Amino acid sequence: AQKVTQAQTEISVVEKEDVTLDCVYETRDTTYYLFWYKQPPSGELVFLIRRNSFDEQNEISGRYSWNFQKSTSSFNFTITASQVVDSAVYFCALTAGYSTLTFGKGTMLLVSP
Amino acid sequence: EADIYQTPRYLVIGTGKKITLECSQTMGHDKMYWYQQDPGMELHLIHYSYGVNSTEKGDLSSESTVSRIRTEHFPLTLESARPSHTSQYLCASSEVVGEKLFFGSGTQLSVL
Repeated sequence: AQKVTQAQTEISVVEKEDVTLDCVYETRDTTYYLFWYKQPPSGELVFLIRRNSFDEQNEISGRYSWNFQKSTSSFNFTITASQVVDSAVYFCALTAGYSTLTFGKGTMLLVSP
Repeated sequence: EADIYQTPRYLVIGTGKKITLECSQTMGHDKMYWYQQDPGMELHLIHYSYGVNSTEKGDLSSESTVSRIRTEHFPLTLESARPSHTSQYLCASSEVVGEKLFFGSGTQLSVL
């Protein structure tokens, strides 16, 4: 069975602060894929990143960075110098084998000016 | 840019009505999915399809039904809507399992 835990239900920060969204996963498969999606107030889920289990290299994309650590089964997401437009619900997700995607419960990020 | 479309965007209907939520994609993806999102944000997989004439129930039991007669089309039907069906319904597709999902804009359904 697969499980994704996003322990932070809601995070509030002030613009320009850095913020990290935590994601812890569980799976018995050795090959799996991890994802992050963003859901702005408009409602559509937007893909941010996909990472396979064999690639532990951290990734940076502009103000976004992801820290993948197999030793702690975590795939955390950091936004540097947050902006109001970053306000959204962020979902971490996992798929392994031929299974469908398992989502965490989401973390709502509120960035105030 | 995702080429997956859902209609209607918003729907308010009375109890007992039959409704169909439309979902179409132009990417030729075999895999398609329906998620129900509750007000607490959590996403629940209610149906999926891995190809034409193939449909499966998801993790969350749902009174809705789906069909997959054409690759590009994956409609969801509620035979008799009830207030408990009030929710956001999100359709998604992917090329293969393990690849990223492309999501539609969703249908916000309100049953009075």
